[in-house]
Amino acid sequence: EVQLVESGGDLVQPGGSLRLSCSASGFTFSTYGLTWVRQAPGKGLEWVSGILTNFNTYYADSVKGRFTISRDNSKNTIYLQMNSLRAEDTAVYYCAKLLSAGGSDMHFAQWGQGTLVTVSS
Amino acid sequence: ETVLTQSPATLSLSPGERATLSCRASQSVDIYLAWYQKKPGQAPRLLIYDASKRATGIPPRFSGSGSGTDFTLTISSLETEDFAVYYCQQRKSWPPLTFGEGTRVEIK
Repeated sequence: EVQLVESGGDLVQPGGSLRLSCSASGFTFSTYGLTWVRQAPGKGLEWVSGILTNFNTYYADSVKGRFTISRDNSKNTIYLQMNSLRAEDTAVYYCAKLLSAGGSDMHFAQWGQGTLVTVSS
Repeated sequence: ETVLTQSPATLSLSPGERATLSCRASQSVDIYLAWYQKKPGQAPRLLIYDASKRATGIPPRFSGSGSGTDFTLTISSLETEDFAVYYCQQRKSWPPLTFGEGTRVEIK
């Protein structure tokens, strides 16, 4: 069974940093791209960042230059390093696995339960 | 950026009724559109991908159609567990990947 478990969410002050982790199991991690999607309180889903099997990375304009996605295939984990955090980054952050192995078909078949990031003074 | 516009914003229906949700793209996304179900406190759930393919484990009362710029998610007969928010998402032109604003299906 595929499992994705996010961690690292916390309360942080504006301008601060946080690193989220997403630990995966139940599939061959190195053969799938993964992504981060967030949902701010009372708002819809927003794609944040993605990383493919070839380690190519992609970002939404709203986080480009502030967030960095990475993966460690030896630990079956992806990370989201979040710097220069703003109030508008407050959201539940989900990691999700792409539908198909080896590709870049960015539909998301399985999701974690999310981790809450709150940016506030 | 491809903007996805969902309508209506809210759909008020009774169990057993048919639900028809719309998603319109600002430019063609071919068939590269997915639908997700989202309930409070739960992770999103993939229902339909590539416009009309049901994801694993999704019951046949959910169906998707469309291509280009106009797409529809149909729930043939609403069950109580289907009352939720539904989002469309395109993967034709990215980054960025984009979602629609959502349609809330509520109990009438």
